[in-house]
Amino acid sequence: AQKITQTQPGMFVQEKEAVTLDCTYDTSDQSYGLFWYKQPSSGEMIFLIYQGSYDEQNATEGRYSLNFQKARKSANLVISASQLGDSAMYFCAMREKNYGQNFVFGPGTRLSVLP
Amino acid sequence: DTGVSQDPRHKITKRGQNVTFRCDPISEHNRLYWYRQTLGQGPEFLTYFQNEAQLEKSRLLSDRFSAERPKGSFSTLEIQRTEQGDSAMYLCASSLGTGGYTFGSGTRLTVV
Repeated sequence: AQKITQTQPGMFVQEKEAVTLDCTYDTSDQSYGLFWYKQPSSGEMIFLIYQGSYDEQNATEGRYSLNFQKARKSANLVISASQLGDSAMYFCAMREKNYGQNFVFGPGTRLSVLP
Repeated sequence: DTGVSQDPRHKITKRGQNVTFRCDPISEHNRLYWYRQTLGQGPEFLTYFQNEAQLEKSRLLSDRFSAERPKGSFSTLEIQRTEQGDSAMYLCASSLGTGGYTFGSGTRLTVV
């Protein structure tokens, strides 16, 4: 079964607009972390934002915020004021305390920012 | 320290040949991870080291794959008798304990 689901293979957004990238996850663990990474065409995975399962506040990092709905097991990424440089693949990932140190990644969403 | 370095960036090899990739992590990071990413997919975990000890291996890591981290610093990933299905991006990451990962830019392998 998929542990991380990203239902949007591709998204378009107009420059300066906000966009939400969806992520749902599946775990029976009580302690886990949720991450979002950006992968531009160069291939490097760039860490964007982290949300711990026990964090009560939604995480924010500059233009990135995470809409964490624990009961729904969703962790959507919101990018405000999109820039052309935001065009990239975006991956949602989870790390579970009881399942080792490795990440499980979703299939990704390709975001294209239009001028 | 400029981050996690991977070498080479690209490798084209004929089916059946052996290839070896190198990863230099951030110097103070004690954990090192290898992931594989095929086209259109997210990265999949292969293996990880804490210092020089290989602590976990995915079932994706067949007998043809071997990884080492001899002195707890750089790591190598070798694929023997390459197959076309091995074509992928091989990503290395490092972390200090259970802290956040830093990924390298990857080695793109093409098996022809």
